[in-house]
Amino acid sequence: KQEVTQIPAALSVPEGENLVLNCSFTDSAIYNLQWFRQDPGKGLTSLLLIQSSQREQTSGRLNASLDKSSGRSTLYIAASQPGDSATYLCAGLSGGSNYKLTFGKGTLLTVNP
Amino acid sequence: KAGVTQTPRYLIKTRGQQVTLSCSPISGHRSVSWYQQTPGQGLQFLFEYFSETQRNKGNFPGRFSGRQFSNSRSEMNVSTLELGDSALYLCASSHPGGAMNTEAFFGQGTRLTVV
Repeated sequence: KQEVTQIPAALSVPEGENLVLNCSFTDSAIYNLQWFRQDPGKGLTSLLLIQSSQREQTSGRLNASLDKSSGRSTLYIAASQPGDSATYLCAGLSGGSNYKLTFGKGTLLTVNP
Repeated sequence: KAGVTQTPRYLIKTRGQQVTLSCSPISGHRSVSWYQQTPGQGLQFLFEYFSETQRNKGNFPGRFSGRQFSNSRSEMNVSTLELGDSALYLCASSHPGGAMNTEAFFGQGTRLTVV
């Protein structure tokens, strides 16, 4: 059974700081790993998708890496801004007859001006 | 291109009632999944449909059911509502064909409050 853990649960940083959010998963047979952002009371916005054959993906100030052998993914946010404040969730996709995303509990990020 | 649309956005129901939530996926997407989000349990998988067939179901009681129509729109139904069913219900759609390496796109959710 896939389990996803995110550390830290909450993080508060000053504006401009570079930061790393961590995600670990127990079943390395994932098909892909996806990072999402969620603002309070809202749905999930997809940030980055890393396919199982890839090691990293970049979009603007965001960079996500995937190491299946160690069961880890990281989301790197460069030059953080107050607008980055949100909850960040990672999810691993399991396939076949067990097609579903398994989510971590998220990291609540606060970027202080 | 329109995103995933969920209706209604907010619902207040009384214990014992039933409720139906609707999800319209991105045009051309054939896989629709449903998730329940609560502060204590986080995001939990309910079920997934592809081409009108339920392919996978999470660990929820039989009061939770769903279906998918030929146009890929999906509904989920919760019968005999309990206070613990209060949650944000999220729907996600994926690329045509339901291939494994696909990106999931989520709607804004339906906030269900059971009183």
